[in-house]
Amino acid sequence: GQNIDQPTEMTATEGAIVQINCTYQTSGFNGLFWYQQHAGEAPTFLSYNVLDGLEEKGRFSSFLSRSKGYSYLLLKELQMKDSASYLCVSSNDYKLSFGAGTTVTVRA
Amino acid sequence: DAMVIQNPRYQVTQFGKPVTLSCSQTLNHNVMYWYQQKSSQAPKLLFHYYDKDFNNEADTPDNFQSRRPNTSFCFLDIRSPGLGDAAMYLCATSRMGIGAGELFFGEGSRLTVL
Repeated sequence: GQNIDQPTEMTATEGAIVQINCTYQTSGFNGLFWYQQHAGEAPTFLSYNVLDGLEEKGRFSSFLSRSKGYSYLLLKELQMKDSASYLCVSSNDYKLSFGAGTTVTVRA
Repeated sequence: DAMVIQNPRYQVTQFGKPVTLSCSQTLNHNVMYWYQQKSSQAPKLLFHYYDKDFNNEADTPDNFQSRRPNTSFCFLDIRSPGLGDAAMYLCATSRMGIGAGELFFGEGSRLTVL
């Protein structure tokens, strides 16, 4: 499979901003997904980037640099309900590779 | 309304006793997937169907089988569960081909093996 690297854990305060970085293999790259997964629940889709640049969706934004094999998910105005695991998922040659997830803990 | 429904949500079985997990979808998507996810790990693809075409991952144990009798339903059969098979099993669908579109996940079936 393709290697996905993302940090294991991050902690931040309510109202703050968190940036979760992800690197992936560039060979055969088709696109990059971010999913949110609360403990004991299924992943839910957050974003999909194919082209370079920033995609903004409310408090969440996702960035992609195809040449660098790099993406980040930006969470703004953090809320307690944002405490979850965030999965970086790369599509290469139309096969998906999941990262192990970054567990974000939001503290009051 | 839930679009990908898995049953049961929680399954307890004994070592070696066969288990069947089910997944149904109301999205009419072509592709259905079964993933295994263990605690703090990435979901691992077991197999997927593109319509009726079955695609098994090379490292999926023979102990795991799947059936897709029609577009809406897909089953995961674990013939002789071992302790190492305890995990969350996630069913997902996508409208487009594998790796080309958003995945819609069910809520998962958590399997405990005693």
